[in-house]
Amino acid sequence: IAGITQAPTSQILAAGRRMTLRCTQDMRHNAMYWYRQDLGLGLRLIHYSNTAGTTGKGEVPDGYSVSRANTDDFPLTLASAVPSQTSVYFCASSESVNQPQHFGDGTRLSIL
Amino acid sequence: GQNIDQPTEMTATEGAIVQINCTYQTSGFNGLFWYQQHAGEAPTFLSYNVLDGLEEKGRFSSFLSRSKGYSYLLLKELQMKDSASYLCAVRDSNYQLIWGAGTKLIIKP
Repeated sequence: IAGITQAPTSQILAAGRRMTLRCTQDMRHNAMYWYRQDLGLGLRLIHYSNTAGTTGKGEVPDGYSVSRANTDDFPLTLASAVPSQTSVYFCASSESVNQPQHFGDGTRLSIL
Repeated sequence: GQNIDQPTEMTATEGAIVQINCTYQTSGFNGLFWYQQHAGEAPTFLSYNVLDGLEEKGRFSSFLSRSKGYSYLLLKELQMKDSASYLCAVRDSNYQLIWGAGTKLIIKP
């Protein structure tokens, strides 16, 4: 079934460790996004990519980096994890910036 | 700053109608989206409004008034499976989505 795949599903990580969250889509969507969702807050955009080879910073980019080497993959890296990065992370994609976004199932990340 | 407001929680009865309101203040407006999110799952797209008026999709309808910075999602003939959070999001002048915190809808038999 076509869609967005995120890995891992969940992870417990020690503070200070490096972690990469994977996101792959097979819909040939041009735009991809990374959000974090915390209780009581709306989804907050971390980084985005409007097309392969380009990336941009969202509302809360500090401590995170992304790359978009090809259309399908958009990994999110935490260089040195901190407890405040404990959250649920959603990857999303859309055919273009004008179209609705479709979400992966999320990665539940706990930083201890 | 940019702000999306929606009620934190609402309760309704199976078979009834419920209206979930959303007000917004954003830097620019390029459309408003409603998403449904069941607990522990990903958000799924419900509706999109860019012009004033009502968009109907089966049991769900969404209304937009750009002059008032206001939208609502109307759910008819409520079913137990409609118990979920409903997220309002506005696409701003940079074509990024600004999200509300979501409205948790509880359906009682």
